[in-house]
Amino acid sequence: AQKITQTQPGMFVQEKEAVTLDCTYDTSDPSYGLFWYKQPSSGEMIFLIYQGSYDQQNATEGRYSLNFQKARKSANLVISASQLGDSAMYFCAMRESLGQKLVFGTGTRLLVSP
Amino acid sequence: DGGITQSPKYLFRKEGQNVTLSCEQNLNHDAMYWYRQDPGQGLRLIYYSQIVNDFQKGDIAEGYSVSREKKESFPLTVTSAQKNPTAFYLCASSLSSGSSYEQYFGPGTRLTVT
Repeated sequence: AQKITQTQPGMFVQEKEAVTLDCTYDTSDPSYGLFWYKQPSSGEMIFLIYQGSYDQQNATEGRYSLNFQKARKSANLVISASQLGDSAMYFCAMRESLGQKLVFGTGTRLLVSP
Repeated sequence: DGGITQSPKYLFRKEGQNVTLSCEQNLNHDAMYWYRQDPGQGLRLIYYSQIVNDFQKGDIAEGYSVSREKKESFPLTVTSAQKNPTAFYLCASSLSSGSSYEQYFGPGTRLTVT
């Protein structure tokens, strides 16, 4: 069964610093997709970045990058140059090739301080 | 503006009453989903639909029902059989089913049953 683990309940970072949010996953499907979502206090889930299991390069989207280590089954999110608006919950999720659902981790709360 | 709308944002009901949560999308997406989020947890899939007039149960479908009569609409009914209905409900859609397609989320409905 597919599973996502986020071991950091909370993370603190100072403005303009980089931060890494950890995510490990488990699946027996060789084809899968990994996603990161941001959930601000308003509750809406905002898609940040996607990594396919066969992608050769790590995904990047602006200040977000995904450190994909397939052999270790990890897909950590790196946020560079943190901003106060980055304070939110961050969820890692996975979808298998034949699956219809996203499986979510329990999330990491990020607090960015001035 | 394309997107997903959920109404209302906050909903209060007495125990024993059925309640229907609205979800509408104008993204022309084929697939739609309903998730439930409890405090401190990730999202769990309730129901999903890949095409009109067809839907499947997710991990926690008991006590819920859905319909998909139109491509744009996927309402969720929380029935009196749902033992712990108080939660945050999120609707999502994606272009298609498949591991590479990200899901776009609505703003959510916070349901409180007393």
